[in-house]
Amino acid sequence: AQTVTQSQPEMSVQEAETVTLSCTYDTSESDYYLFWYKQPPSRQMILVIRQEAYKQQNATENRFSVNFQKAAKSFSLKISDSQLGDAAMYFCAYRRDLTGTASKLTFGTGTRLQVTL
Amino acid sequence: GAVVSQHPSRVICKSGTSVKIECRSLDFQATTMFWYRQFPKQSLMLMATSNEGSKATYEQGVEKDKFLINHASLTLSTLTVTSAHPEDSSFYICSASSTGNTIYFGEGSWLTVV
Repeated sequence: AQTVTQSQPEMSVQEAETVTLSCTYDTSESDYYLFWYKQPPSRQMILVIRQEAYKQQNATENRFSVNFQKAAKSFSLKISDSQLGDAAMYFCAYRRDLTGTASKLTFGTGTRLQVTL
Repeated sequence: GAVVSQHPSRVICKSGTSVKIECRSLDFQATTMFWYRQFPKQSLMLMATSNEGSKATYEQGVEKDKFLINHASLTLSTLTVTSAHPEDSSFYICSASSTGNTIYFGEGSWLTVV
């Protein structure tokens, strides 16, 4: 079974600074996707960034980037120039790549990010 | 973009009654829908996967007779909590996918059983 581990229950960052959230996963599959989701107090799940396992290049989305280390099964999220609106719960998630079929997401336990002035 | 809508967003029901939560894909056909439960300050736990027109696949430990899932059309899945008890109070959230590439989440539903 696949597992996703987030070892940082809480993190804090000052506004405009950079913070990195850690995530490791375990799988025997070779084709899969990795995601970071943001969940603000509204509880809406917001996709932050996505990485296909077959791609060596790390995904980036504006101020958000990942460090994907496939051999180490590590998938960290870097938030640059942190903003107050980045404060939320962040979940790392894994999904198998099943052609033509949606497979379930397996979530980590989450990291609560605080952004301070 | 694609939208998944859940209704109701909040519901309070009496212990022993049943309550239904709907999950609708508004602008795409959702062949697969997922139902999650989230306790306070915890992660999302998958309850079941439903494919249109077939029986839902439940995760280990989830009572299928208590949490009835129906996916009768390509745009609607329902979760019915039968004979609800206070310990069923939680945040329930659905997600939906069409091609398997992208998964869209609903806004979630707060259930309180009194």
